[in-house]
Parts: sequence; structure tokens; C-alpha cells
Amino acid sequence: AQKVTQAQTEISVVEKEDVTLDCVYETRDTTYYLFWYKQPPSGELVFLIRRNSFDEQNEISGRYSWNFQKSTSSFNFTITASQVVDSAVYFCALSGNFGNEKLTFGTGTRLTIIP
Amino acid sequence: DAGVIQSPRHEVTEMGQEVTLRCKPISGHNSLFWYRQTMMRGLELLIYFNNNVPIDDSGMPEDRFSAKMPNASFSTLKIQPSEPRDSAVYFCASSLEGQGYEQYFGPGTRLTVT
Repeated sequence: AQKVTQAQTEISVVEKEDVTLDCVYETRDTTYYLFWYKQPPSGELVFLIRRNSFDEQNEISGRYSWNFQKSTSSFNFTITASQVVDSAVYFCALSGNFGNEKLTFGTGTRLTIIP
Repeated sequence: DAGVIQSPRHEVTEMGQEVTLRCKPISGHNSLFWYRQTMMRGLELLIYFNNNVPIDDSGMPEDRFSAKMPNASFSTLKIQPSEPRDSAVYFCASSLEGQGYEQYFGPGTRLTVT
């Protein structure tokens, strides 16, 4: 069985602060994929990033960065110099091998950026 | 390019009525997923298709729910009869066939059953 844990239910930070969203996963698959999605107040789910289990390189995209560590089964997401537009619910998700491609989502972290 | 299209965006119906939700995946995508989002249960998969064939329907709550994918560009999720506990946002997502491809989500259908 696959499981994703996002222990932080809600986080509030003042604009321009950095913030890290935690994600811990469990899976028995040797090949698996990790994702982050953003759900702004408008309700749609926006894809942010995908990593596969063989690629532990950290990734940076503008103000966003992701830290993948297999040793701790974590895939954390950092927003640098946060902005009000970053306010949203962020979901970490996990999928497995062929035939198990469904996304298993964490419960999400609601991030509020205070102007 | 058009994203995943869902209709209707909002549906209000009375308990006992039939509800049909529709989804058009992104052209060229071979996998289609139906998810449901509620406050209590979060985001959960209901069913998914690869090349129009259902692969995993273990998330379908009960016999009142059914899903079809008659061709590569259309899928439906039907609830008959509907109950108040079915009230939720239903998302359709599509991806390229194969493991690990990101799924792109439609805007969702907000269903309210009174």
C-alpha cells in the first residue's frame, strides 16, 4: 500500500519569507514517482513537478525548489521569497509501477502568505 | 492546446436523481482518471482507464457509481441514484500512457445532492 503524509496542515508566513512544505511517503515499489500539485482558491489542481525514484537530484525552478531524499523517504518543497500568489493548498502525491499509476495524495498543506 | 474539459462545472440535484459527469481528456493522452475531493476524505481515486480499458476501479464507492470510456476522447461518470453523501468535487485527469507521467486535471465538477 502507498501512503503520503503531509504533517503540516496549515502554514502562515509573511510575504518574502522562505517556507518549506514537508512530504513523507511510503511505498513497496522499487520504481515510483513523486509529484507536487498546487490548488489555488479557484479550485483547480496545477501540476508543479515530477520526480522518479532513480533521480535524487534536487531541482530548482525560479523561486521553487524540491529536495528528494530516499534515505528518509521525503520529498520536500521550498518556496523562496514567498509571494501572496503562492497562497494555496499544496498536495504531495505518489504513483507506482505500471498498473499502479493512480496518484495517492497527501492531505495537503494550506499555505497562507500574509502581505 | 485545450486542457482537460469537464462538464458541467456545477450540478445541483435532488437525492435519488441520476447524475452524469463528463470528461474530455487532452488529445493524445491514453490514460484517464476520475478523482473525488471531499473535506473528510481528501483526494481519492475512483477509477482509471488505460486505452479506454478500466484498470483499477477499486475506489468506486458502490454499485451506484459507474464509469465508461467509449472512445479516447470521452468519458462519463454516472451516479444512480445520487445521495447527499455523494456531494463533492469530481476531477477528471489525463496523462500519457505509461508509468510516471504527470496527470493534468480538469477544472472539476462541484456536485451538490440535496
